[in-house]
Amino acid sequence: DTAVSQTPKYLVTQMGNDKSIKCEQNLGHDTMYWYKQDSKKFLKIMFSYNNKELIINETVPNRFSPKSPDKAHLNLHINSLELGDSAVYFCASSQGGNTKVGNTDTQYFGPGTRLTVL
Amino acid sequence: RKEVEQDPGPFNVPEGATVAFNCTYSNSASQSFFWYRQDCRKEPKLLMSVYSSGNEDGRFTAQLNRASQYISLLIRDSKLSDSATYLCVVRFYAGKSTFGDGTTLTVKP
Repeated sequence: DTAVSQTPKYLVTQMGNDKSIKCEQNLGHDTMYWYKQDSKKFLKIMFSYNNKELIINETVPNRFSPKSPDKAHLNLHINSLELGDSAVYFCASSQGGNTKVGNTDTQYFGPGTRLTVL
Repeated sequence: RKEVEQDPGPFNVPEGATVAFNCTYSNSASQSFFWYRQDCRKEPKLLMSVYSSGNEDGRFTAQLNRASQYISLLIRDSKLSDSATYLCVVRFYAGKSTFGDGTTLTVKP
């Protein structure tokens, strides 16, 4: 069974369009994340949610809006897509909470969504 | 200064070689440390957590030096299949982890 899944795997679209990427985890984790990996392969966190509440928003343009309908899902909606949005977007999840014995808050990643904006 | 810094490499080594990667972090209050591995066009996957006393998993040894704020990864007897990008990850608090930019390793026959 896939632990963290994302759809779609590939997304090709025109500038100016609005698109969504979906993420689901079946690990029972409390925390979910969106990362962007650009053409230089640098992996940067965009958002982090804990139990459906936004806890991290890393200076991401307002065109990006995450939505968490429940703690197993974290979707990413992007408005008015730009060329610079082309990247691979990874969803991840972790147990969350403060570190304690047995919890190092390891993150598990989805397979990624390769977004190409033309 | 970046929160997490790694030597980008690339490291090109022959099979059987021993190779070591270092990673430095700037926040002394960091809580947890990890090494992830990322293969080309794939998602990052946990290689190993790094514990204060150091830990070993087969050919891989991870060390943490809190005083100097760096972690290291040692790979012994390199295999072709070890070729990948290795990402250093530092967790500051729940939900906040920073990934290094990665070190690329190529193991050649």
